[in-house]
Amino acid sequence: RKEVEQDPGPFNVPEGATVAFNCTYSNSASQSFFWYRQDCRKEPKLLMSVYSSGNEDGRFTAQLNRASQYISLLIRDSKLSDSATYLCAVGPRVTGGGNKLTFGTGTQLKVEL
Amino acid sequence: EAQVTQNPRYLITVTGKKLTVTCSQNMNHEYMSWYRQDPGLGLRQIYYSMNVEVTDKGDVPEGYKVSRKEKRNFPLILESPSPNQTSLYFCASSLRWGGGNQPQHFGDGTRLSIL
Repeated sequence: RKEVEQDPGPFNVPEGATVAFNCTYSNSASQSFFWYRQDCRKEPKLLMSVYSSGNEDGRFTAQLNRASQYISLLIRDSKLSDSATYLCAVGPRVTGGGNKLTFGTGTQLKVEL
Repeated sequence: EAQVTQNPRYLITVTGKKLTVTCSQNMNHEYMSWYRQDPGLGLRQIYYSMNVEVTDKGDVPEGYKVSRKEKRNFPLILESPSPNQTSLYFCASSLRWGGGNQPQHFGDGTRLSIL
């Protein structure tokens, strides 16, 4: 089983739709969670960190489910400009594990008119 | 402007010809890392550095070397490149090595083609 797994998609959704992605991780000791956005052939850019209590940034909501070992990203009112690949990244324990992030292979989102 | 800068952005070269990809960050970050990204395999860590003169292997270190003589620079060296090292490479940095919850900031990427 991969350390971090994502459905590669593509998810094709109409503009204005709400879309959700999940990302599962295998290491129960993981403590750091992030969502990155990557446009074609460009660098990953941090979209948001994922906190235990869940967090929201505008149209984007991230949640963590420790019991089932997954994180989720919800995008409301999707825009054409949201079309990209969304990578999840999982990091180790707060102490002792350093800062190694393991990335999923990404979920491709295509928002259409 | 805070950034991670990689050079070159694109390189086509031949098998066996040593090359270096430079990476520099201006954010005084302690932690730096190199990744390669290949279709279907995602981002895989090659090497990382916790601070000056402290480096360690990531998941796919074979065929690569790194050095960290200064805090801002973390070059990636391919002593004898081979076609299977054709890939998209990213350098990344974050503020500290430990402490958790530290996102990494990526450079623009370097597309290497080894013929």
